[in-house]
Order: sequence, then structure tokens, then C-alpha cells
Amino acid sequence: AQSVAQPEDQVNVAEGNPLTVKCTYSVSGNPYLFWYVQYPNRGLQFLLKYITGDNLVKGSYGFEAEFNKSQTSFHLKKPSALVSDSALYFCAVRDMQAGYSTLTFGKGTMLLVSP
Amino acid sequence: GAVVSQHPSRVICKSGTSVKIECRSLDFQATTMFWYRQFPKQSLMLMATSNEGSKATYEQGVEKDKFLINHASLTLSTLTVTSAHPEDSSFYICSARWGTSGGGLRTDTQYFGPGTRLTVL
Repeated sequence: AQSVAQPEDQVNVAEGNPLTVKCTYSVSGNPYLFWYVQYPNRGLQFLLKYITGDNLVKGSYGFEAEFNKSQTSFHLKKPSALVSDSALYFCAVRDMQAGYSTLTFGKGTMLLVSP
Repeated sequence: GAVVSQHPSRVICKSGTSVKIECRSLDFQATTMFWYRQFPKQSLMLMATSNEGSKATYEQGVEKDKFLINHASLTLSTLTVTSAHPEDSSFYICSARWGTSGGGLRTDTQYFGPGTRLTVL
């Protein structure tokens, strides 16, 4: 079975400060890891993913995430937050060993960036 | 590329009626589409997975006779909520995955539609 944990319901950060949204995962094989962002009353937008290779993955809108196999983590980061980054962020995992298995999502973390 | 549309974006209906939601992949062919349900301030719950030309695979606890899914072509899947009741009110989101490589799209990424807000009175 695969699972994702996002330990924070909400993250508050001031504009211009760095932000981190945490994610840990559990899979039996090697993971595909994803971050999506959701704005109010909208679907999910793909931010970035890790499949293999460099542990630091760069994605859309200046976001990046670092894959840490030993800690089974895939935290989302951005060096300088914008007010427009305020949204709901979902981490998701899929088990590579299971072929085209389905995505399992975390419960989401609300990011609030204050001016 | 990788645009998924949903129609309608919002629907209000009376209890007992049926509602059809369309999901289209606009610039790629989706061999697999997914339907999710999302309650306020909660994560996405996978309802079913559909492959073009075959019957949908429903997740445990999802009533297949209530939530009818048709994936008749590589660009269109529909979800019909039959005999809707107030407890069916929710945000429904579809997702599409492309099954072959090329064109800049990754086969292992799901692209999501903008969602449909269903309110049953």
C-alpha cells in the first residue's frame, strides 16, 4: 500500500520569505512523487514531479522539491514567497513497481502568504 | 499542451434528477481518465478509473449504479450522477493520463480538469 502524509494543515509565511511545505511518503517500491496546487474552486495544477535522477526537482512558478530517500520525504520549497502563492498544495505518490497504479494524495496543506 | 476541460463548471439540480458531467482532453488522447470527489477542505477521493472502450473500475464504497462512467473515446469521459440527492453535493474533478510518449507530455503525469461544483437541492 502507498500513502502520503502532509503533517501541516496550514503554513503561514510572509511575502519574500522562503517557504517549505512538508511531505513524507510510503511505498513498497520506488516512488513517483508529485506536487499539485489548487486555487479556490479550481482543479489541480501540476507543479513538479520526481521520477529518477537529480534529487532536487525544479518546477513551475519558481517552486522546487527535494527528494530524500532516507527520510522518505519530498518537501516543496520556494526561496521567496509571493502573495499569489497562497493556495492549497497537494503531495501525491505512485508506486513505480505497480506500473500504472493510481495516485495517492496527501490531505493537502493550505499555504497563506501575507503581504 | 495537456489541457483538460470539464463541463459544466457548476450545476444545481433538484433531488431525484440525473446530472451528466463531461471531461475532455483537449490536446492529447487520454487512454485513462480518473474521476475524483472532493469535500470542502479535504483531499481528493478517487471514485473510479476508466480506460477507453472498457468498463470503469470503481473504488471500494463507490456505487457504480449511481455514478455511471462512460469513456467512449480517447478524448471524452462522462460521469452521470443518477437520482442525485443532497449528500451527492460535492466538487467533482476529472483527470486524464496520456498513455504514450512524445509531444512533450509525460506518460506518468495526470492532468486535471477545473472541476464541477454539484449542488443538489
